Amino acid sequence: GQNIDQPTEMTATEGAIVQINCTYQTSGFNGLFWYQQHAGEAPTFLSYNVLDGLEEKGRFSSFLSRSKGYSYLLLKELQMKDSASYLCAVRGGSGNTPLVFGKGTRLSVIA
Amino acid sequence: IAGITQAPTSQILAAGRRMTLRCTQDMRHNAMYWYRQDLGLGLRLIHYSNTAGTTGKGEVPDGYSVSRANTDDFPLTLASAVPSQTSVYFCASRLTSGGDNEQFFGPGTRLTVL
Repeated sequence: GQNIDQPTEMTATEGAIVQINCTYQTSGFNGLFWYQQHAGEAPTFLSYNVLDGLEEKGRFSSFLSRSKGYSYLLLKELQMKDSASYLCAVRGGSGNTPLVFGKGTRLSVIA
Repeated sequence: IAGITQAPTSQILAAGRRMTLRCTQDMRHNAMYWYRQDLGLGLRLIHYSNTAGTTGKGEVPDGYSVSRANTDDFPLTLASAVPSQTSVYFCASRLTSGGDNEQFFGPGTRLTVL
């Protein structure tokens, strides 16, 4: 089976840095994904990690440790528009295996 | 504009009625997926299809059926709707070959079963 855990809610201040953690247990591993979802909208792709290490994309970075079953999403210079849910998802097995999502972390950015 | 469309945007349905949610993509993606999203439970996979003509069951398939007659369309049918199927339904697609791993989501269908 597959299990993905992430915190339910987080609050951070505008301009600050926030780290959203995700731990997973899967049968096989073929990539870890982070999606952003604003209220009432569809999820949109943020990042993809398949090898250990840090992937940086502008204000957003994602880290993966396959041996620890652990990832984090780092958001820098937080803006009010970053208030959203952040979904961690894992593809186990082969490249054709569907994504399994965690329950998401609701981030509130306050002034 | 290329992407995924879903119809209807929202629907209120009486229990026991049959309903088909439509999903169409024009990106020539081979794989398509149906998820439902409920508060506190996140996105859960209902059914998927890795290529036209094949389908598979996800985590919560009971009460739902799908078909994949061609590459572009992946309808989801509720044969006899029940209130527990009240949810937001997202269709998604991706290309599984060529190193492009991004999964794209449609705008969603908000379904209420009374």
